[in-house]
Amino acid sequence: GENVEQHPSTLSVQEGDSAVIKCTYSDSASNYFPWYKQELGKGPQLIIDIRSNVGEKKDQRIAVTLNKTAKHFSLHITETQPEDSAVYFCAALNSGYALNFGKGTSLLVTP
Amino acid sequence: GAVVSQHPSRVICKSGTSVKIECRSLDFQATTMFWYRQFPKQSLMLMATSNEGSKATYEQGVEKDKFLINHASLTLSTLTVTSAHPEDSSFYICSARSGLPEKLFFGSGTQLSVL
Repeated sequence: GENVEQHPSTLSVQEGDSAVIKCTYSDSASNYFPWYKQELGKGPQLIIDIRSNVGEKKDQRIAVTLNKTAKHFSLHITETQPEDSAVYFCAALNSGYALNFGKGTSLLVTP
Repeated sequence: GAVVSQHPSRVICKSGTSVKIECRSLDFQATTMFWYRQFPKQSLMLMATSNEGSKATYEQGVEKDKFLINHASLTLSTLTVTSAHPEDSSFYICSARSGLPEKLFFGSGTQLSVL
């Protein structure tokens, strides 16, 4: 089945700096890669996603890149703010149309 | 984005009782909903896939008689934890798949504590 690896597990940056989280996947048939932000005690919130027919997508301070050949995709957050602090999960859609998640990255943005 | 409503957000129950969790897609029809379980500081683990009008598909190791799933309409799926025990205490989250373009949205989660 699909295996999604996510790094780093924790990330601490200063406000205003950029944060990058990387994921790899194993199933070459996966074609949809969403990123979720989860705050404590809440459900995951979809923040950006990318499909396999594009290599990059941007939404204001957030961008995602996809390298299908290498089977990895990354989340980039620029000009980080304290409210960006949360756990971020990458995911890949498997052949059963369910998501397989990475183990998460705990991002801390310090003022 | 689309809205998925999940209730209750928190429930405390005695060991041996059953608990029902509801998941509703508020502004779209969801032929498929998913139920996940999450332990503290861990990732989401898929428990089962719920298809409207048919039996749910359970992941390996998930007891279908313990975690009853009903998807009676295109906007509602329920998870019933039967004869709950302390080891069932966890954060349960549902997600629903929207139409084209297909995306998956999550409910706010239910924190179950079994005493």
